Amino acid sequence: NAGVMQNPRHLVRRRGQEARLRCSPMKGHSHVYWYRQLPEEGLKFMVYLQKENIIDESGMPKERFSAEFPKEGPSILRIQQVVRGDSAAYFCASSPKNPGYNEKLFFGSGTQLSVL
Amino acid sequence: DAKTTQPTSMDCAEGRAANLPCNHSTISGNEYVYWYRQIHSQGPQYIIHGLKNNETNEMASLIITEDRKSSTLILPHATLRDTAVYYCIVREAGGTSYGKLTFGQGTILTVHP
Repeated sequence: NAGVMQNPRHLVRRRGQEARLRCSPMKGHSHVYWYRQLPEEGLKFMVYLQKENIIDESGMPKERFSAEFPKEGPSILRIQQVVRGDSAAYFCASSPKNPGYNEKLFFGSGTQLSVL
Repeated sequence: DAKTTQPTSMDCAEGRAANLPCNHSTISGNEYVYWYRQIHSQGPQYIIHGLKNNETNEMASLIITEDRKSSTLILPHATLRDTAVYYCIVREAGGTSYGKLTFGQGTILTVHP
């Protein structure tokens, strides 16, 4: 049973380039969450997606960031025109359904984005 | 969201029980207490959760006070691999984003030989 798969594990981009982070949820999971962890800070919720729908993007920066979870394929977190402040670890989590109070999230190992 | 307060850091000797406290005095009646941990450079890992009764699984035990204003996570026999940041989280009560967890700073647990 493969867990939540994120790739790449490490991503280096120069300022102004685009970063695309991929997340394949656990088999049978249709709900995906993205979190960001800035250096020396806690994890912050970014966005919650179901297949082909964004449910809650209240934690996403207003500009340059977007996320999708298509009917087929992995979820993608896209950062356009990256800046040094985007350097962080980005974690994806999945759950089998909208987790009520009695459900848990399964997290991937994260993508470490470094912006030069 | 109900907020949680945890000590910044704790130490524990290998083989001994690690008791990690958490205060959540504003917790509401239908909110669960969850514990996750994050080992260095890895994603968070679910440990345990509970509502009002004490809970135990293969990883840990969770003791919730009768008034639900605080809880304690117990690792019965800590090992070096239990060194991690431990997060106590109260699950958001309303809306549709039940997976929207609010992580605080957590407790850095260091298990030493």
